[in-house]
Amino acid sequence: RKEVEQDPGPFNVPEGATVAFNCTYSNSASQSFFWYRQDCRKEPKLLMSVYSSGNEDGRFTAQLNRASQYISLLIRDSKLSDSATYLCVVNLPPGGYNKLIFGAGTRLAVHP
Amino acid sequence: DTAVSQTPKYLVTQMGNDKSIKCEQNLGHDTMYWYKQDSKKFLKIMFSYNNKELIINETVPNRFSPKSPDKAHLNLHINSLELGDSAVYFCASSHLLAGQYGETQYFGPGTRLLVL
Repeated sequence: RKEVEQDPGPFNVPEGATVAFNCTYSNSASQSFFWYRQDCRKEPKLLMSVYSSGNEDGRFTAQLNRASQYISLLIRDSKLSDSATYLCVVNLPPGGYNKLIFGAGTRLAVHP
Repeated sequence: DTAVSQTPKYLVTQMGNDKSIKCEQNLGHDTMYWYKQDSKKFLKIMFSYNNKELIINETVPNRFSPKSPDKAHLNLHINSLELGDSAVYFCASSHLLAGQYGETQYFGPGTRLLVL
């Protein structure tokens, strides 16, 4: 099983749609979770951290289910500018030094 | 002001050559990283330095050698380049060790390496 697995996509949605991405992780000891966004030919940028109680930032809502080792990202009222690849990121806890493991990403294309 | 910068942005070279990529961060962070993103867009960590000390060294061919002259700089030297080295190499930095206490990373713009 891969350390971080995501829906492969691509997701093609019209403007205004609600879209949800899922991610599962394999290490139950992981403590830090993030969603990053990567535009075409650009560097990854932090979209939001994911907290145990779930958190919201404008049109974006992240949820964490530790029992199922599952993370989700919900985007409401999609905009053309939301088109990007969304990377699920989880830390691989100590036994050494923490490192971040990136999922392969889910591509989102929002069309008019 | 660019927080994490890399040079060069593009690098096209022949197989067998030796090349270097430089990275600098002006965020005052203690930890820096090199990642490789291959053609399938999978981003994998290669190395990490904390205060100039190598702390993460993934399974990477020893043709790749990182160097950190100070905590604001992390360079990557690649010897005897191979076709499979073609990828985008991202530098990143973080204040603490990424993943600890929710600490995240800031990425540079990437260096697109093409080996012919």
